[in-house]
Amino acid sequence: GQQLNQSPQSMFIQEGEDVSMNCTSSSIFNTWLWYKQDPGEGPVLLIALYKAGELTSNGRLTAQFGITRKDSFLNISASIPSDVGIYFCAGRSPGSARQLTFGSGTQLTVLP
Amino acid sequence: GAVVSQHPSRVICKSGTSVKIECRSLDFQATTMFWYRQFPKQSLMLMATSNEGSKATYEQGVEKDKFLINHASLTLSTLTVTSAHPEDSSFYICSARLDSGNTIYFGEGSWLTVV
Repeated sequence: GQQLNQSPQSMFIQEGEDVSMNCTSSSIFNTWLWYKQDPGEGPVLLIALYKAGELTSNGRLTAQFGITRKDSFLNISASIPSDVGIYFCAGRSPGSARQLTFGSGTQLTVLP
Repeated sequence: GAVVSQHPSRVICKSGTSVKIECRSLDFQATTMFWYRQFPKQSLMLMATSNEGSKATYEQGVEKDKFLINHASLTLSTLTVTSAHPEDSSFYICSARLDSGNTIYFGEGSWLTVV
């Protein structure tokens, strides 16, 4: 089956720094989604990408759908303490009956 | 954005009993909903795909007689954990896909503790 590799697994950064994380797939995806999950809560959608090469921003967050359709990255600029949490990428491959494949998550810690 | 609501957010039940978790799409119709299980510090594991008006599709290794899924309307899917055991204790999350688009939204999750 398809695999989705997300890196890094965890990050410790200083407040104000920029952050970048990415996901790569062994097969082509037609949708990439980025979620943030706080402890004990469900994932919250941050950015959705539907076209190869698409670059979308949501405030300090920017995500891109890779041209090869096998990768995506998420950037967070000028990090703040409330950015702490687990970030998941998720993708859907063509013909996958609407279900998502999730990355393993990136645990982000922002130090004051 | 679209809202998906789960209830209850936390539930404690005795071993051997059954517990039902509801997943509702509050402001949109969702023909398809998904149920996930998440262990601490791990990613979400898809359990089953819930289809309105038809039987759910279960992932390999998930016992359909133990995890009963009912999707009786376009806005409600339920997951019933039958004859619960302590090892069923986990965080269960549902998601719903807008019928009019490709975006998937998640519920807040439900903590199940079986004692």
